[in-house]
Amino acid sequence: TQLLEQSPQFLSIQEGENLTVYCNSSSVFSSLQWYRQEPGEGPVLLVTVVTGGEVKKLKRLTFQFGDARKDSSLHITAAQPGDTGLYLCAGEQGNNRLAFGKGNQVVVIP
Amino acid sequence: DSGVTQTPKHLITATGQRVTLRCSPRSGDLSVYWYQQSLDQGLQFLIQYYNGEERAKGNILERFSAQQFPDLHSELNLSSLELGDSALYFCASSQDQGGQQETQYFGPGTRLLVL
Repeated sequence: TQLLEQSPQFLSIQEGENLTVYCNSSSVFSSLQWYRQEPGEGPVLLVTVVTGGEVKKLKRLTFQFGDARKDSSLHITAAQPGDTGLYLCAGEQGNNRLAFGKGNQVVVIP
Repeated sequence: DSGVTQTPKHLITATGQRVTLRCSPRSGDLSVYWYQQSLDQGLQFLIQYYNGEERAKGNILERFSAQQFPDLHSELNLSSLELGDSALYFCASSQDQGGQQETQYFGPGTRLLVL
């Protein structure tokens, strides 16, 4: 059983459209991280959210941590082909141990 | 470039064999983490070493073992390989100065194919 469920697993959109992907869990996390992974490379950290209800923005990406610190969402505004990648969420389990979801594969078509 | 290096990049071997994957952490990082990524399981934490000592264990099989050397590089040993061990193996490192939410920097991975 996956500790973190990400949905949708796969999403394909046209350049310029908006999208939202989700990361859900029944567990509470002290923090939650979002990574992007491109083919042939390791995951790269995008953001860490710590406080329930917290919203962080990274250019056109908006990350929100749920009030109960069990879920998170990532919203991309006016998606670009460079946003294509596998988006992974990870919950911290203590001592910097991370539990990852399976990811949201996003494809932005030019 | 994360500063974490992993060798080899690709590895093809046969069932029953043993392989060693190598990781050099970023300069100054004391913690090394090993992960396995497969299509059906996603990215799974295997084991963590801190300054030469094992700190945490995840879903690591008994056929797998790891160690961290005095120069802080780490090796992951996979033995009695099975077809299902085919996956991407990532190493990550962090400073691990005792705080939370520390950034883990991932290497480019080793793609293992067991035939």
